[in-house]
Amino acid sequence: AQTVTQSQPEMSVQEAETVTLSCTYDTSESDYYLFWYKQPPSRQMILVIRQEAYKQQNATENRFSVNFQKAAKSFSLKISDSQLGDAAMYFCAYSVDSNYQLIWGAGTKLIIKP
Amino acid sequence: EAQVTQNPRYLITVTGKKLTVTCSQNMNHEYMSWYRQDPGLGLRQIYYSMNVEVTDKGDVPEGYKVSRKEKRNFPLILESPSPNQTSLYFCASSPSPDGGNTIYFGEGSWLTVV
Repeated sequence: AQTVTQSQPEMSVQEAETVTLSCTYDTSESDYYLFWYKQPPSRQMILVIRQEAYKQQNATENRFSVNFQKAAKSFSLKISDSQLGDAAMYFCAYSVDSNYQLIWGAGTKLIIKP
Repeated sequence: EAQVTQNPRYLITVTGKKLTVTCSQNMNHEYMSWYRQDPGLGLRQIYYSMNVEVTDKGDVPEGYKVSRKEKRNFPLILESPSPNQTSLYFCASSPSPDGGNTIYFGEGSWLTVV
């Protein structure tokens, strides 16, 4: 069965510092996609970053980058220069190309300390 | 502006009283889905639709119905709501069931069944 595990229910970081959120997944597929979503207190789901499994290069979006380790089935999110607006729940998700169903982790609550 | 619109955003209802949560997207997307979000569980898929008149069950379909008579609309129907359906519901859409496309989420609908 495909599963996504986020082992950190809550993380905190000082403003302007760097934080890494962990995500591991289990799959027997070779082609798939991984996502990080941000859910602020408004509850809207916002796509942060996306990684295609066939790409070796780690995806980057401004201050957000991932460390994708396919063999280890690990997909961590690094947030550099943390800002107060980064405070939110962060969800890791996985989808297989064939049926596009998203499998979600339970989420990590990120707290930014001013 | 690309948008997925859900209504109502907040609803308190009583056990057994039929209700419908509407979802509409303005991007001509083929693929639409409904999720529920519960604390510590991430998002779980209820139903999805690949196109007009094509729907299928997700992970937790019991107690829900959907229809897709028009491409833009994908309502979620609770025929006889029960307290265990108290949750935050998200509608989502994407261009096609081709893993890796950006998924657009609605702002969420808080449903309380008493």
